[in-house]
Amino acid sequence: EPEVTQTPSHQVTQMGQEVILRCVPISNHLYFYWYRQILGQKVEFLVSFYNNEISEKSEIFDDQFSVERPDGSNFTLKIRSTKLEDSAMYFCASSDSTGQVTDTQYFGPGTRLTVL
Amino acid sequence: GEDVEQSLFLSVREGDSSVINCTYTDSSSTYLYWYKQEPGAGLQLLTYIFSNMDMKQDQRLTVLLNKKDKHLSLRIADTQTGDSAIYFCAEGSDDKIIFGKGTRLHILP
Repeated sequence: EPEVTQTPSHQVTQMGQEVILRCVPISNHLYFYWYRQILGQKVEFLVSFYNNEISEKSEIFDDQFSVERPDGSNFTLKIRSTKLEDSAMYFCASSDSTGQVTDTQYFGPGTRLTVL
Repeated sequence: GEDVEQSLFLSVREGDSSVINCTYTDSSSTYLYWYKQEPGAGLQLLTYIFSNMDMKQDQRLTVLLNKKDKHLSLRIADTQTGDSAIYFCAEGSDDKIIFGKGTRLHILP
């Protein structure tokens, strides 16, 4: 069964450094998402992406964050200058067809980001 | 704003039924979801219910929706050790999903 993959599984970085989290969505999917889960807290929506542009973003997704689909397979989340509070599990998801809510969002296993 | 609340822990004996409850705030949500997260794994969609339905059954899973009270529940019949996981209630609007904090289901022998 096709699945969403994410790399790395765990990333440790120093505060102020840039990090890029990588995701390979399911190959025929058109909508892509990033969510994050701070330890002990809710899974929070960050951003959705379709047709090479952001379709919706949350207030968490400020200027420090950016997303990109650099080629036909990868979908990346970049944090320009990491802060301690960026430490969280970051989940990528993708869905097919029109992006209506009924379309199942398939989630990756997550990347645990630790900012020291 | 949108919010989803659920209890954090539930312990159930193997073979009994598990009932996980959830409340949400956004009455405009079109779909409500239950996701399962096993250790080290991503979020797996278990089931969803359209907001104009009040019940959906899928094998051992039964979802009940009380739209008036904005209350959603997931019943797992004949709970097995493999059901041990965190279960997330979520509501969908536009193209994003709003999650609860998750209920950790612990199975007692």
